[in-house]
Amino acid sequence: ETGVTQTPRHLVMGMTNKKSLKCEQHLGHNAMYWYKQSAKKPLELMFVYSLEERVENNSVPSRFSPECPNSSHLFLHLHTLQPEDSALYLCASSPKQSPYGYTFGSGTRLTVV
Amino acid sequence: GESVGLHLPTLSVQEGDNSIINCAYSNSASDYFIWYKQESGKGPQFIIDIRSNMDKRQGQRVTVLLNKTVKHLSLQIAATQPGDSAVYFCAENILSGGSYIPTFGRGTSLIVHP
Repeated sequence: ETGVTQTPRHLVMGMTNKKSLKCEQHLGHNAMYWYKQSAKKPLELMFVYSLEERVENNSVPSRFSPECPNSSHLFLHLHTLQPEDSALYLCASSPKQSPYGYTFGSGTRLTVV
Repeated sequence: GESVGLHLPTLSVQEGDNSIINCAYSNSASDYFIWYKQESGKGPQFIIDIRSNMDKRQGQRVTVLLNKTVKHLSLQIAATQPGDSAVYFCAENILSGGSYIPTFGRGTSLIVHP
């Protein structure tokens, strides 16, 4: 375990469903991130939260909605997704908004049918 | 636009050989680089890093070389073992507005044959 826990590990959802991905870290980090990893493409940064405040949103469609209720938890709410949204969604955290001490979770494998 | 890329998508080696994974970057403003290892079913894990004021850094069985002249980064793994089989990513980090913005490469799949 890396200290960053993601649930569920696997998720299959229909295009009309609403689901949420959860990320939890107990490393005392202040920054948390959502990434999308698709086959044969680089990791894509989706959202950045620093001290529970969203500081970056990389032109992500509104069908992805992040939530950071406290510095230990991060959610990604999903609704009306498309098949091309199928990917591995990775959460990461770091002591502050920097690459030092970057720690990734194991990801949620999402399949949209 | 700026990008980080890897020359080879797949590298196959025999156990015990040395492995070299390459990475090209194009943003001369990048000042911090990280190599990650991603095993099947896991997230990327930190292997080794290097700052732009260095040209070489060594860890346990791994060495990272940085050539700023040609904007090239490499990861050398000595005496490669089956447990080294994974996808390896390089990431460049640019300091922007007081925060680092990482950009990841596509990844190279390393396959180690026993």
